[in-house]
Amino acid sequence: EAGVAQSPRYKIIEKRQSVAFWCNPISGHATLYWYQQILGQGPKLLIQFQNNGVVDDSQLPKDRFSAERLKGVDSTLKIQPAKLEDSAVYLCASSLGTGAGYEQYFGPGTRLTVT
Amino acid sequence: GQNIDQPTEMTATEGAIVQINCTYQTSGFNGLFWYQQHAGEAPTFLSYNVLDGLEEKGRFSSFLSRSKGYSYLLLKELQMKDSASYLCAVRYGNKLVFGAGTILRVKS
Repeated sequence: EAGVAQSPRYKIIEKRQSVAFWCNPISGHATLYWYQQILGQGPKLLIQFQNNGVVDDSQLPKDRFSAERLKGVDSTLKIQPAKLEDSAVYLCASSLGTGAGYEQYFGPGTRLTVT
Repeated sequence: GQNIDQPTEMTATEGAIVQINCTYQTSGFNGLFWYQQHAGEAPTFLSYNVLDGLEEKGRFSSFLSRSKGYSYLLLKELQMKDSASYLCAVRYGNKLVFGAGTILRVKS
């Protein structure tokens, strides 16, 4: 089965510019996650969707970050305007559900560099 | 907070056994995952523990003690390809919280 797809793989922008990332989860996976992984740290959950509804966005900096999952499949994450500290890898993951034992499958990530 | 602690780095020799420890806050615990992450790649699932005891899967085993807030990942017969970061992740409710990862270096 195809894995989680993300694009672009790499992005370099200047501070105060905007950027968008795209994610296509594994077919049939109802739950989709966006994580931010700063170099040397573990992934930090930004937002979690169940179908097209938001389950948890408590750690999403809502003044500059936004995400949507229209039609409960693909998702986009946007940063506007970007700051230097947003430089990180943005990982998308999906799972069949939100139950305790559901394994999350990660995409290859988008490496963002803000200069 | 929901701090998850694991050693920053470990070094071991090819063919040896290594144990990577993880401690976490027990309140709200709802399962523990171990992931492997090679440099520049996405995390991949290794194991899942929700009950006390040892789960074995080939060369990899994971142990959990819920009362102590403690888990370890055991890697046997180390191979060079096992050089990677190992992430301990704890589920609190429906949310997965990751530790910073342990970088394992396998030397020949």
